[in-house]
Amino acid sequence: KAGVTQTPRYLIKTRGQQVTLSCSPISGHRSVSWYQQTPGQGLQFLFEYFSETQRNKGNFPGRFSGRQFSNSRSEMNVSTLELGDSALYLCASSPPGGPGDTQYFGPGTRLTVL
Amino acid sequence: AQSVTQLGSHVSVSEGALVLLRCNYSSSVPPYLFWYVQYPNQGLQLLLKYTTGATLVKGINGFEAEFKKSETSFHLTKPSAHMSDAAEYFCAVSLSVQGAQKLVFGQGTRLTINP
Repeated sequence: KAGVTQTPRYLIKTRGQQVTLSCSPISGHRSVSWYQQTPGQGLQFLFEYFSETQRNKGNFPGRFSGRQFSNSRSEMNVSTLELGDSALYLCASSPPGGPGDTQYFGPGTRLTVL
Repeated sequence: AQSVTQLGSHVSVSEGALVLLRCNYSSSVPPYLFWYVQYPNQGLQLLLKYTTGATLVKGINGFEAEFKKSETSFHLTKPSAHMSDAAEYFCAVSLSVQGAQKLVFGQGTRLTINP
């Protein structure tokens, strides 16, 4: 099976712009989660989607949003970008099971905000 | 609240030496515990996980970890380090909220292998 894919791999934006990142999960996986990784804060949970519904959201401002499509592909959007949004954004997919399921991560999208 | 503490942000060992990366967790319920590895410019790769059953868990690349409930620990070990083990390692606990799984990560440990 193909792994989790994320596009684009690199992005450079300026403050105030908005950005959309895309994630394609492993075939058959219905849960998609997003994480932000920064040197200062480490890995932080953004949100999780299952069957097009957001089931859980981390402690991030409303500028961060996401959605999931019927084919389980997911997008996340960040509006009004700030310098502090520069980070590696990781997407992970897992089977529709419980908390012991493995989350499989994509390579990430590195966002730089100038 | 569930949390994870990794002791030592940087660990350096010689090639062939024992690797020991420490992880302690806090959880009010039986935890599901994971170790992931991240190579430069890549995502996270699962090394091993503990759900239930045997407390000594074997993973990929010769790594293993032991779940010790009494010590709330899940330390990662490898008997003999290889240069290719140089990477960042993350311990995580899984939290279930309204059916959704959320991983809570430690701050990571950067492993350096000296020739």
